[in-house]
Amino acid sequence: GQSLEQPSEVTAVEGAIVQINCTYQTSGFYGLSWYQQHDGGAPTFLSYNALDGLEETGRFSSFLSRSDSYGYLLLQELQMKDSASYFCAVRDRSTGGFKTIFGAGTRLFVKA
Amino acid sequence: EAGVTQFPSHSVIEKGQTVTLRCDPISGHDNLYWYRRVMGKEIKFLLHFVKESKQDESGMPNNRFLAERTGGTYSTLKVQPAELEDSGVYFCASGDSYNSPLHFGNGTRLTVT
Repeated sequence: GQSLEQPSEVTAVEGAIVQINCTYQTSGFYGLSWYQQHDGGAPTFLSYNALDGLEETGRFSSFLSRSDSYGYLLLQELQMKDSASYFCAVRDRSTGGFKTIFGAGTRLFVKA
Repeated sequence: EAGVTQFPSHSVIEKGQTVTLRCDPISGHDNLYWYRRVMGKEIKFLLHFVKESKQDESGMPNNRFLAERTGGTYSTLKVQPAELEDSGVYFCASGDSYNSPLHFGNGTRLTVT
């Protein structure tokens, strides 16, 4: 089967840097994605890593280590609007086709 | 471009009743997915359509759930008869290829009482 682990909650102050870790277990790993969801809204795509290393998109960066089955999302210069849930998600092909498997999400609280 | 739209946004039904959820994907997206999130838990995969064909329905919980995708356009997810444990937020997502990011709708919040 597949599983993903990420912290349930993280709190940080405005302007700070926060890292949300994700470990995964799957036999058909293809890539790791991150999605953001504000309360009541749709999850929205943030980043995707298929290869080891760091991908940077503005204030957000995502890292992957395939050998460690580990990744993280780094948010810099935190803003109040970054308060949301963040989901890591594995692109998986263990059942033959491709599907995206999500973790339970990390609730980020940004304080003033 | 219009995003993924889901209808209704909320539904409250009694145990034993039937509910049908609808999803309109982004035009031209062949891949359509249904997911469900029960409060505080993971966004759980239910199934994947490529055009009108079911590519993977390994996440469908049981035969009370029936998903269809007419002509490769919109999709419906019917729950019949609904049980209390079916409550949750049902998300639909679409993508233009197997490896593209998922575009989600706002979800349908289903409450079974």
